[in-house]
Amino acid sequence: AQSVTQPDIHITVSEGASLELRCNYSYGATPYLFWYVQSPGQGLQLLLKYFSGDTLVQGIKGFEAEFKRSQSSFNLRKPSVHWSDAAEYFCAVGANSGYSTLTFGKGTMLLVSP
Amino acid sequence: DAGVIQSPRHEVTEMGQEVTLRCKPISGHDYLFWYRQTMMRGLELLIYFNNNVPIDDSGMPEDRFSAKMPNASFSTLKIQPSEPRDSAVYFCASSRQGTDTQYFGPGTRLTVL
Repeated sequence: AQSVTQPDIHITVSEGASLELRCNYSYGATPYLFWYVQSPGQGLQLLLKYFSGDTLVQGIKGFEAEFKRSQSSFNLRKPSVHWSDAAEYFCAVGANSGYSTLTFGKGTMLLVSP
Repeated sequence: DAGVIQSPRHEVTEMGQEVTLRCKPISGHDYLFWYRQTMMRGLELLIYFNNNVPIDDSGMPEDRFSAKMPNASFSTLKIQPSEPRDSAVYFCASSRQGTDTQYFGPGTRLTVL
């Protein structure tokens, strides 16, 4: 069965500093990988996804993520964080077959300090 | 595209009452998902449908919960009778395929007193 681990429950970053959110997955084959963001009181919004091809994926709002098969990781990065990026971030993994669906991590809450 | 629509956005009810949550998926999406989000348990998949047929309901917590999808543009999640521990935000999401991008609705915040 597939699984996702987001080891950091909370992260605080100064505005303007760089950001990296960690995501590790467990799945036997090449997975589908996603990052979603949830602002307070809102639903989840897709930031980016990886299905195949280039392992460095660009998303919305200046985010990117890199798929590293050898490390089973799909970390999310942003070079300069803005106060509006404060939100909860979810990594998700899906299997490339049949009726499988997505498995979400527990989420990482990003706090942005002035 | 209007996105996934959920109603109501907020629901406050008393223990023992029946609660019905509604969802309209994005047109053309064949998969519909119901999730529950709480501080303690995070985001949990309750049930999902493919072409209006329930595929996996193993996440439904107990018999008090039921979900239906009578047609491609409407689904309900019902809790009867409701209990305080059912208080949570319930999300509906839809996608074209099971492992494709899921598009989430704004959620229904349920409070059971």
